[in-house]
Amino acid sequence: KQEVTQIPAALSVPEGENLVLNCSFTDSAIYNLQWFRQDPGKGLTSLLLIQSSQREQTSGRLNASLDKSSGRSTLYIAASQPGDSATYLCAPIKAAGNKLTFGGGTRVLVKP
Amino acid sequence: NAGVTQTPKFRILKIGQSMTLQCTQDMNHNYMYWYRQDPGMGLKLIYYSVGAGITDKGEVPNGYNVSRSTTEDFPLRLELAAPSQTSVYFCASRLTGDSPLHFGNGTRLTVT
Repeated sequence: KQEVTQIPAALSVPEGENLVLNCSFTDSAIYNLQWFRQDPGKGLTSLLLIQSSQREQTSGRLNASLDKSSGRSTLYIAASQPGDSATYLCAPIKAAGNKLTFGGGTRVLVKP
Repeated sequence: NAGVTQTPKFRILKIGQSMTLQCTQDMNHNYMYWYRQDPGMGLKLIYYSVGAGITDKGEVPNGYNVSRSTTEDFPLRLELAAPSQTSVYFCASRLTGDSPLHFGNGTRLTVT
């Protein structure tokens, strides 16, 4: 059974600082991995999808890396802004069944 | 495109009542999922479907039923509601195993 851990559980930084969010998973036989953002009381918004053959994916200030062999993915957010305050979740997708398993998320607060 | 639409947004049930949570998507996605999110926790998979007429259990299927008679709709049925089913329910869909997951805005259910 896939276990997904996100560290830290919560993070508070001043505006402008870079954010590093970690995701680890126990079963490295994944098809791809997706990062999401969730604002309070809202659904999840997809940020980045990394295919298993890729090592990283970038979108604007966001960069996500994937190391399948060690079961790790990292989301970097450059030059954080108060609007980046949200919970960030990662979800590796198993090759079989296409089921996603979610981590518990990292709750981020960016202070102005 | 409206994306993934969930109804109702909020619902209060008494113990033992039943209800159906509706989910529809207009993106012609093959894969659809139901998740529940308890306060401060990650998402847990209830049921999923890889196409019309095909459904399968996720991590926490007990107390729920689903059907997938059309590509667009994936309703979740709660029979004999229990307080343990108090949660926020999210429906999600995607086209293939390679594509990003799209979420609805959720249904907040309270069972008292």
